[in-house]
Amino acid sequence: NAGVTQTPKFRVLKTGQSMTLLCAQDMNHEYMYWYRQDPGMGLRLIHYSVGEGTTAKGEVPDGYNVSRLKKQNFLLGLESAAPSQTSVYFCASSLYAGTSGRARVSNEQFFGPGTRLTVL
Amino acid sequence: AQSVAQPEDQVNVAEGNPLTVKCTYSVSGNPYLFWYVQYPNRGLQFLLKYITGDNLVKGSYGFEAEFNKSQTSFHLKKPSALVSDSALYFCAVRDGVKTGTASKLTFGTGTRLQVTL
Repeated sequence: NAGVTQTPKFRVLKTGQSMTLLCAQDMNHEYMYWYRQDPGMGLRLIHYSVGEGTTAKGEVPDGYNVSRLKKQNFLLGLESAAPSQTSVYFCASSLYAGTSGRARVSNEQFFGPGTRLTVL
Repeated sequence: AQSVAQPEDQVNVAEGNPLTVKCTYSVSGNPYLFWYVQYPNRGLQFLLKYITGDNLVKGSYGFEAEFNKSQTSFHLKKPSALVSDSALYFCAVRDGVKTGTASKLTFGTGTRLQVTL
């Protein structure tokens, strides 16, 4: 199994350009997530998905869009890149571990290798 | 809202000595707690988790963590540090009960562990 893969590994954009980051997982995980990592700020959740065809906003969703057309793929789009979006982007996935009767729960998250994006 | 604090930006330890990386948390219900490690230019790797049960949790690479409910802490420990343990360590928490919504992790800002000879 390849686990979680991300494409591309590096990218440099000019302000205003658009791009799509691709995340793929081969573990049949139901949940997928997009994070950004910035120095001194840890990881912040951008968007997430609890299943094919569903997406939801995380902590810092502005300027990003996502789509989950297939269970194994989770795409992150930047429509008009800004220098503030310079960051390292990580995708993660986790298995739906069933319900406790009160809430859906998930297991630990598995991370991709990251995409380093620079916006000039 | 849930939160995690890692009070130390960096921890320096000599190889062979015990190490502790601190983490405190705040959640509204029972916590699910995680430790991840990140090596340079790599993604995060899962080390261990606390869901319920014994307060001392054992994980990968000889690491363990102690859950302390009264102090709302989940410190990462290792009895004998190795130079190869040098990396960035993240503590994360999520609420164990979240009706009708997906459970999301909240990460700390990370602690850089430097182990020297």
